[in-house]
Amino acid sequence: AQSVAQPEDQVNVAEGNPLTVKCTYSVSGNPYLFWYVQYPNRGLQFLLKYITGDNLVKGSYGFEAEFNKSQTSFHLKKPSALVSDSALYFCAVRAQYNFNKFYFGSGTKLNVKP
Amino acid sequence: DTEVTQTPKHLVMGMTNKKSLKCEQHMGHRAMYWYKQKAKKPPELMFVYSYEKLSINESVPSRFSPECPNSSLLNLHLHALQPEDSALYLCASSQDSGNVAQPQHFGDGTRLSIL
Repeated sequence: AQSVAQPEDQVNVAEGNPLTVKCTYSVSGNPYLFWYVQYPNRGLQFLLKYITGDNLVKGSYGFEAEFNKSQTSFHLKKPSALVSDSALYFCAVRAQYNFNKFYFGSGTKLNVKP
Repeated sequence: DTEVTQTPKHLVMGMTNKKSLKCEQHMGHRAMYWYKQKAKKPPELMFVYSYEKLSINESVPSRFSPECPNSSLLNLHLHALQPEDSALYLCASSQDSGNVAQPQHFGDGTRLSIL
């Protein structure tokens, strides 16, 4: 079975500081992992993905994520947080048996304070 | 601006009404999805269409009826909804299963309120 877990409901960080939003995964084959961001009253926006290759993946708006196979983690990071990064973040994994199905984590609310 | 367009943005309806949600994409994607999202929760998959055929129905009550008239359009017909059906309904699309690297693209949703 496929699943992702986001252990933190909320992450608070000061503007200018680095941020990390955690995600761990459980898959029975190759992991196809995604991060999305959702601003209030908007749909989900794709940030970045890991399919294969380099463990450090760069995405939109200065975000990056580190894939760690031994720890089954795919944490989202940004070197310097902005107030405008405050939003709800979802990690997702693509199902192995049906690539049209995605499993989402519970979401992490990121609060960046000035 | 999102590449997946949903209408209407807001909908208020009574429990006996019939209404429809619409979704349109022009990216040539052949997989289209309906999700239900409650506040501060992840999206819950309802239906998936692949090449205009229903491929996944996540045991959704029959008061929700999806339709895919062509590769660009996806509808969700609503009838006799319950107050607990109030939520944000998101449409998404992606290239079909042949390319696992492609993400889903989401619309901004329809905020549905059942009186």
